[in-house]
Amino acid sequence: QTVVTQEPSFSVSPGGTVTLTCGLNSGSVSTTYYPSWFQQTPGQAPRPLIYSTNTRFSGVPDRFSGSILGNKAALTITGAQADDESDYYCVLYMGSGIWVFGGGTKLTVL
Amino acid sequence: QVQLVQSGAEVKKPGASVKVSCKASGYTFTNYAVHWVRQAPGQRLECMGWINAGNGNTKYSQKFQGRVTITRDTSASTAYMEMSSLTSEDTAVYFCARGVLPAARPDYWGQGTLVTVSS
Repeated sequence: QTVVTQEPSFSVSPGGTVTLTCGLNSGSVSTTYYPSWFQQTPGQAPRPLIYSTNTRFSGVPDRFSGSILGNKAALTITGAQADDESDYYCVLYMGSGIWVFGGGTKLTVL
Repeated sequence: QVQLVQSGAEVKKPGASVKVSCKASGYTFTNYAVHWVRQAPGQRLECMGWINAGNGNTKYSQKFQGRVTITRDTSASTAYMEMSSLTSEDTAVYFCARGVLPAARPDYWGQGTLVTVSS
């Protein structure tokens, strides 16, 4: 069974830089998985940030960026702000119309 | 702007069925898909399936195949998700999300609908 892996939690200082990753329990993530990233605060719907590895959604600040780092997809936040404290989810395309979410990373800004 | 507005919270007894709606606006409904994604308390997001709003073709996650039916009404720009044989493990927030064709990449989301299954 394909499992998409993310760090359960991460912390960053205000103004700092953090990189969250999205991997597979077997194999490497590449651009052919079209990784997308979403931000979710408690009780809210996920907000789209990045799609197709590194394309920002309209209105997303350029301090959010996506990439492939090694064998994983990555979301980098530079100049972290207090309101970046959220859960971050990646989703990967497995082909045949199948999308699988990662377990999410809880980001703390302190 | 793209908006997906879902129906309100539901409370159901075990064994019952539930039907959740998702009304789309701000884009051409039939040019996109609609995903259904659920999130149980403290759990990850889980894709249930999606419908091509243009031709009505559906794709279900293996886990939900046979228990979930996704439909759409193009005249109302609304998609529906119906789940049968509910158990307490189906207690979750159910989201709809627009999917960009052809692969139905999820982007904009509805606000979520809490479905509680309790005797």
